[in-house]
Amino acid sequence: ILNVEQSPQSLHVQEGDSTNFTCSFPSSNFYALHWYRWETAKSPEALFVMTLNGDEKKKGRISATLNTKEGYSYLYIKGSQPEDSATYLCASGAQGSWGKLQFGAGTQVVVTP
Amino acid sequence: GAVVSQHPSWVICKSGTSVKIECRSLDFQATTMFWYRQFPKQSLMLMATSNEGSKATYEQGVEKDKFLINHASLTLSTLTVTSAHPEDSSFYICSAPRTESSYNEQFFGPGTRLTVL
Repeated sequence: ILNVEQSPQSLHVQEGDSTNFTCSFPSSNFYALHWYRWETAKSPEALFVMTLNGDEKKKGRISATLNTKEGYSYLYIKGSQPEDSATYLCASGAQGSWGKLQFGAGTQVVVTP
Repeated sequence: GAVVSQHPSWVICKSGTSVKIECRSLDFQATTMFWYRQFPKQSLMLMATSNEGSKATYEQGVEKDKFLINHASLTLSTLTVTSAHPEDSSFYICSAPRTESSYNEQFFGPGTRLTVL
């Protein structure tokens, strides 16, 4: 994998349901994987930065896992709420490219009451 | 958390004119800022790295004479789209890294929607 890819591009979730989506990234020269939450007309907000293979991070009802060997990360939302509606971006940082991140196109999540 | 502002949030201009976009770090100093561009349904693409007190470094394929970047102070970087054309219509967003982080964490502005008629 040369680029950062996210799937699905969008998904609709019923309030209360749990969901997850994927980020694939280049595994060679890996340094860090970032997840951002981006609401319309606002700034992207950092959720997680993950660096270690097997790492799991949690923030409230949102959690993420990381597999650096195969180059993928999952983001999970448990018990989705309407306020979880946003676009979730992942970005990969490579060793030796301080500050530069390669972004995926995002997964747009719409939670309906 | 740290805050980055961007101005204007949207701009419409005529073809051939120049447009300046400002990116400010409000509560921290940023020796480096990044400028990204996003076309519809696509990912944020890094255009250039803005360096305080020195020249910006541009990514491959980005015309430095068209996208002028000035990082005049530790809190302000500007991107000027010169002689804008309809194909320059896009969403432009800046970010600044938390210097204390070793993992490239960045704070983003809210972005600027540019429409060139």
